[in-house]
Amino acid sequence: AQTVTQSQPEMSVQEAETVTLSCTYDTSESDYYLFWYKQPPSRQMILVIRQEAYKQQNATENRFSVNFQKAAKSFSLKISDSQLGDAAMYFCAYRSRYSGGGADGLTFGKGTHLIIQP
Amino acid sequence: NAGVTQTPKFRVLKTGQSMTLLCAQDMNHEYMYWYRQDPGMGLRLIHYSVGEGTTAKGEVPDGYNVSRLKKQNFLLGLESAAPSQTSVYFCASSYIQGAVGNQPQHFGDGTRLSIL
Repeated sequence: AQTVTQSQPEMSVQEAETVTLSCTYDTSESDYYLFWYKQPPSRQMILVIRQEAYKQQNATENRFSVNFQKAAKSFSLKISDSQLGDAAMYFCAYRSRYSGGGADGLTFGKGTHLIIQP
Repeated sequence: NAGVTQTPKFRVLKTGQSMTLLCAQDMNHEYMYWYRQDPGMGLRLIHYSVGEGTTAKGEVPDGYNVSRLKKQNFLLGLESAAPSQTSVYFCASSYIQGAVGNQPQHFGDGTRLSIL
């Protein structure tokens, strides 16, 4: 079974600064997908960014980018120019590509609480 | 454009009572999922469905049952609620398209369930 570890329960950053959230995972599979989800106090789960393991290029979505190191099984999220609206819980998640028809769901880390200091 | 709708949003039950949580999606997604989120934890998969009439167990299925009689609906049932089932429950859905796993899951807003 796969596991996802987020070693930073809480991170704090000044508004407009850059912050990096860490995620490592354990798997024996070679093909899979990785996601970062944001959960603000409203409780919604919002997809931030996703990465296909077979792609070497790191995914980027506006101010959000990842550093995907497949050999190290590391998938960190970088948020540039932090904004107050970025304050939330951030969850790293793993999904197999073809496990049980690909529908076994996501495996989540325990999350990192990101605080933005004005 | 409703997306994934969960009903109810809050509920308080007494130990031993039963109830059903309803999830409805209007995106014609094949796959649907039920997760629970406990304090200090990420979401954990309870049950999922790959299509109408099919269901399968996830990581933490004990004490729950599910049904997918219609493609757009996925029901989660608690036959005899226990305090350990106090949690926030999330429903999600996704497409099957090309490579299966790359489709993001779309989540509902969650149901906060308290068992006294």
